[in-house]
Amino acid sequence: AAGVIQSPRHLIKEKRETATLKCYPIPRHDTVYWYQQGPGQDPQFLISFYEKMQSDKGSIPDRFSAQQFSDYHSELNMSSLELGDSALYFCASSYRAGVSYEQYFGPGTRLTVT
Amino acid sequence: GESVGLHLPTLSVQEGDNSIINCAYSNSASDYFIWYKQESGKGPQFIIDIRSNMDKRQGQRVTVLLNKTVKHLSLQIAATQPGDSAVYFCAENIGGAQKLVFGQGTRLTINP
Repeated sequence: AAGVIQSPRHLIKEKRETATLKCYPIPRHDTVYWYQQGPGQDPQFLISFYEKMQSDKGSIPDRFSAQQFSDYHSELNMSSLELGDSALYFCASSYRAGVSYEQYFGPGTRLTVT
Repeated sequence: GESVGLHLPTLSVQEGDNSIINCAYSNSASDYFIWYKQESGKGPQFIIDIRSNMDKRQGQRVTVLLNKTVKHLSLQIAATQPGDSAVYFCAENIGGAQKLVFGQGTRLTINP
């Protein structure tokens, strides 16, 4: 079965640079979620989109922005990167109109800021 | 073996024994709960879920118990195998599929 695809899998950036993370949800899924997981931490919700509209917002810094496109893929844009932004970034997708709220997670993008 | 609340992040069990991982959630309005398994360097993998109108749900070798009175969730893994080694997270969802709030994970290690 098709899974959530994230790219790139690994990314190394320097402080104050920008980064763009991409997420391709499972086909027919209409909702995308972004989570940030620091070392030894639980995943923290950043932002979600349903049908290309922002549906919920969590602890996402103002330096970050995201959007969902007409083909339902999503991009997380990160600017003025800081050392503390080093983390695993997960994208998850779900089919909101379905009976289950189950979110399927991608393999993650490991961002290292030096 | 059994973990106690969120203050014991590591649980070690003997292969073949049953494991019990506990989780306390905070929001009484949460209506949907999921257990995820996360192996090193990978994304969280769905194990089992339960809605707030249920007390127990069983899957293959796993059982989730929900006690709404004390806002407690547990995951029972029967006949623990080496492949069960991972970090286990509980997550709660409040009023719709908007976001999941994850609890602190428990690292399960299997002793041969």
